[in-house]
Amino acid sequence: DQQVKQNSPSLSVQEGRISILNCDYTNSMFDYFLWYKKYPAEGPTFLISISSIKDKNEDGRFTVFLNKSAKHLSLHIVPSQPGDSAVYFCAASRKEYGNKLVFGAGTILRVKS
Amino acid sequence: KAGVTQTPRYLIKTRGQQVTLSCSPISGHRSVSWYQQTPGQGLQFLFEYFSETQRNKGNFPGRFSGRQFSNSRSEMNVSTLELGDSALYLCASSEVDEQFFGPGTRLTVL
Repeated sequence: DQQVKQNSPSLSVQEGRISILNCDYTNSMFDYFLWYKKYPAEGPTFLISISSIKDKNEDGRFTVFLNKSAKHLSLHIVPSQPGDSAVYFCAASRKEYGNKLVFGAGTILRVKS
Repeated sequence: KAGVTQTPRYLIKTRGQQVTLSCSPISGHRSVSWYQQTPGQGLQFLFEYFSETQRNKGNFPGRFSGRQFSNSRSEMNVSTLELGDSALYLCASSEVDEQFFGPGTRLTVL
């Protein structure tokens, strides 16, 4: 049972344009969401998070949007840079259960220069 | 602050053996979680330790166990290794909300 889904296995974007990565979840009890970036042979790097009491959180070039009614979140990267090319994972948790993260399958982002 | 460190980085074992992996969290972080990453199953939660107590457990067999020491360092142990245990094992530490991951230990079971 995949509780967190990233339906796009890959995304290709031109340098300088916007990258939009999407994530859907099925468990309405999730109340905290995170995005991680991962390079091969390295651990995931934390990018940005959002609590279910918010619908938007911004940090530099990264913005996460949460639509609770649709059980959908998205990560916007503006402007995209070649160094952003990596695998992006969406993760969700229920804070009362501590730090157990449920991850999506990941989306490979390629930023072309 | 230094990041999360994991040792060893690479390990090769044979079926039936056991293995112990180590994780040193970021200084001041009391929560340590372990994850397994495989091509087929993706990133899956193994367990979380907080102040030396297991706080959460994923759906893995009892061959997978862990512990946390008073200095927050954590170890995970896998007994009676199977071929399917070949994976990247990731440790993450947390102070409040966000989890910060180490580089992982690549375990290959032959």
